[in-house]
Amino acid sequence: GAVVSQHPSWVICKSGTSVKIECRSLDFQATTMFWYRQFPKQSLMLMATSNEGSKATYEQGVEKDKFLINHASLTLSTLTVTSAHPEDSSFYICSARDRDLTGRFLEQYFGPGTRLTVT
Amino acid sequence: ELKVEQNPLFLSMQEGKNYTIYCNYSTTSDRLYWYRQDPGKSLESLFVLLSNGAVKQEGRLMASLDTKARLSTLHITAAVHDLSATYFCAVARTSYGKLTFGQGTILTVHP
Repeated sequence: GAVVSQHPSWVICKSGTSVKIECRSLDFQATTMFWYRQFPKQSLMLMATSNEGSKATYEQGVEKDKFLINHASLTLSTLTVTSAHPEDSSFYICSARDRDLTGRFLEQYFGPGTRLTVT
Repeated sequence: ELKVEQNPLFLSMQEGKNYTIYCNYSTTSDRLYWYRQDPGKSLESLFVLLSNGAVKQEGRLMASLDTKARLSTLHITAAVHDLSATYFCAVARTSYGKLTFGQGTILTVHP
């Protein structure tokens, strides 16, 4: 199956700093990528939809100025957590979807996740 | 608003036993997914169910979908310890791809 990578796999940063997380589709082009956040022992919550060449669409309650998303190419989306605070500590997972020749959305592939700890 | 509910949330099983995890969702959807998550890891895709009556099996796991009842089941046959993990169902809101996840079912298989 298709492979999605994330970098870094884990990061520790100080409160007030910014952290960038990269999500790459390695063997397919992803016009759309999704960013999820997962707190310990909870489910995944969709944060935003990242569209190549256009602005991201954020879910209700997600601060777009705090979680900056850029989808500069068909294989790369980045999530920047700005002015991070301890409550932003979480497991961030991206996913990318593939399409068939008719444009129909097929499987959605998940990255390995990035564990962010803000001290 | 699409809601996805799993039942049970915690499941402790003995090896060799059978059990079923249920996933109910509140609005019409054209696809349903089952994922497995091991501690500290991301999601592993198990099944994609695309139509009413769809049934898929892989090893000791079998998933089915009843779109009229808005219900999917994940059946575990003769459980083994390696199946211990958290299992999520997720429903696509539209063919566009946004997924809404259930709460997850933490499965523990005991010897």
